[in-house]
Amino acid sequence: NAGVTQTPKFRVLKTGQSMTLLCAQDMNHEYMYWYRQDPGMGLRLIHYSVGEGTTAKGEVPDGYNVSRLKKQNFLLGLESAAPSQTSVYFCASRIGFGTASYEQYFGPGTRLTVT
Amino acid sequence: EDKVVQSPLSLVVHEGDTVTLNCSYEVTNFRSLLWYKQEKKAPTFLFMLTSSGIEKKSGRLSSILDKKELFSILNITATQTGDSAVYLCAVGRGSQGNLIFGKGTKLSVKP
Repeated sequence: NAGVTQTPKFRVLKTGQSMTLLCAQDMNHEYMYWYRQDPGMGLRLIHYSVGEGTTAKGEVPDGYNVSRLKKQNFLLGLESAAPSQTSVYFCASRIGFGTASYEQYFGPGTRLTVT
Repeated sequence: EDKVVQSPLSLVVHEGDTVTLNCSYEVTNFRSLLWYKQEKKAPTFLFMLTSSGIEKKSGRLSSILDKKELFSILNITATQTGDSAVYLCAVGRGSQGNLIFGKGTKLSVKP
């Protein structure tokens, strides 16, 4: 049981390049989330999904797209990277409906630098 | 606008000290308050609180929620160097329980 995994762990992009971050969970969780964490800013929600085939915008969605084609995977895409997207990206998952637990389980993070 | 405010932002103590971390919130449609510990990598879950006045305890850590005054505290007694971390407070809100995070309190415990 690996929990939540993220690939890659590190990436350096040039401005204008594109990339996709992959998040996978093996806990059969319904809800999945993408956050970014910047120094002094805490964790901010980018996009989230409440089930396979669904996505929704969070607090800071501009410049990102997501897809949830399979329940266990949640992809975060940057179509044209900008230096302002330099950050640490965390994926998280949560059981979902039918439970009173709001606990989210986090992946190890991806450190992205855009030059 | 919903917000979660943690204080202090950083704290330096010596081993054996007791510390209290604060979290206040202004959130519409409150569902829960959660505490996480972050040591360089992924945040790890500590507590979830939904009811006022009921203390949650795990070893040397404890937490309580006051829904009338809109705050929570996290206490750590007999601190150890392994307690050094950023402690994050998050509030679950709305029908889907999405979390809004505070900026964290960086705790450094010196030997």
